[in-house]
Amino acid sequence: DAKTTQPPSMDCAEGRAANLPCNHSTISGNEYVYWYRQIHSQGPQYIIHGLKNNETNEMASLIITEDRKSSTLILPHATLRDTAVYYCIVRSRSNDYKLSFGAGTTVTVRA
Amino acid sequence: NAGVTQTPKFQVLKTGQSMTLQCAQDMNHEYMSWYRQDPGMGLRLIHYSVGAGITDQGEVPNGYNVSRSTTEDFPLRLLSAAPSQTSVYFCASSSAGTSISYEQYFGPGTRLTVT
Repeated sequence: DAKTTQPPSMDCAEGRAANLPCNHSTISGNEYVYWYRQIHSQGPQYIIHGLKNNETNEMASLIITEDRKSSTLILPHATLRDTAVYYCIVRSRSNDYKLSFGAGTTVTVRA
Repeated sequence: NAGVTQTPKFQVLKTGQSMTLQCAQDMNHEYMSWYRQDPGMGLRLIHYSVGAGITDQGEVPNGYNVSRSTTEDFPLRLLSAAPSQTSVYFCASSSAGTSISYEQYFGPGTRLTVT
């Protein structure tokens, strides 16, 4: 499975967009990019996933570069409740019940 | 729908004791998994199941047993607790690869301390 690289932490102002980068240069053709987040002490929560096209849902947008070697999760209007650890995970669809979580990015949204 | 439930929420064990962490889901998901999370780290996969009667080892299986006799339940047994097993344990479930749902649902966690 492809490894991912994320910055350890980042700050964001409330109401502004938060752009979370993820590098996955060894991603293979059948692997998806998944994003989960973990709010303090809770179980991880699914945010979004994508294969090669950009994706948007009610929580976030996912931008995947054309070569698929990196992606950006965008929280369009960050709120204090978005403060969490965000995990970028690369996995094939057939293995997405066996997730491999790295250290993630700790996002702190400040008022 | 209760989703994924875990009991107990908190547990303190003495070294050498055994116990079972319970996990249940009411979404008729085929896949279930157990993860542990040590302080300041990401989750690591302990064991997983792709259906009733089928289990397999994850990244850190030593010291743990699982069984899956029904679709709904996936208990995790600690055979002889050790301080190194002090952690937060998360259970998760998801639907099979042919489903349109890609989401893995996580329970609230069990916080285990072994003294």
